[in-house]
Amino acid sequence: AQKVTQAQTEISVVEKEDVTLDCVYETRDTTYYLFWYKQPPSGELVFLIRRNSFDEQNEISGRYSWNFQKSTSSFNFTITASQVVDSAVYFCALELGSSNTGKLIFGQGTTLQVKP
Amino acid sequence: DAGVIQSPRHEVTEMGQEVTLRCKPISGHDYLFWYRQTMMRGLELLIYFNNNVPIDDSGMPEDRFSAKMPNASFSTLKIQPSEPRDSAVYFCASSLGATGRTEAFFGQGTRLTVV
Repeated sequence: AQKVTQAQTEISVVEKEDVTLDCVYETRDTTYYLFWYKQPPSGELVFLIRRNSFDEQNEISGRYSWNFQKSTSSFNFTITASQVVDSAVYFCALELGSSNTGKLIFGQGTTLQVKP
Repeated sequence: DAGVIQSPRHEVTEMGQEVTLRCKPISGHDYLFWYRQTMMRGLELLIYFNNNVPIDDSGMPEDRFSAKMPNASFSTLKIQPSEPRDSAVYFCASSLGATGRTEAFFGQGTRLTVV
């Protein structure tokens, strides 16, 4: 079975704190893709990153960084020096390589509140 | 590029009425998806199309739901008759579906309220 688990339902931090959002996935496919999407209060889903299962290098984009560990089936997302504008719901998602279509299995999402 | 365009943004309808949600995917994208977001079930895939052909509709909850894609630039999701439990945000997304470029781009969603 394929599944994505985001165990943290809600996280609240104060501005400038670092915060890590956890994502654990399950799949038997050897080729797969992992994603993070952001859903701000306005409601749209914004693509943040896509990572394939053969690339375990960590990635950094500004204040955002992602840690992919196949050994623990995790793809965690860290925001450094959080800002109020980072307040949103963040979704981790899995796409199976066998589909290669963009069909996503989403986690339940983590609501991040960054307080000033 | 204008992105994925959905209409209407908000829809309020009475139970039993027919509801039609519309989507214009990004030009050139071969795949189109309809997702539903609710508090209880999160984001779930309802149906997806490849080159205008429905490929997997296993997520469509009931026969009251139907989706069509008459051409590459337009898709509809219809609920007939609507029920209060259909209240949700419905997202349309499109993707290239080719190796290395399969991230899905989402529309802004249609918030449906059935009273």
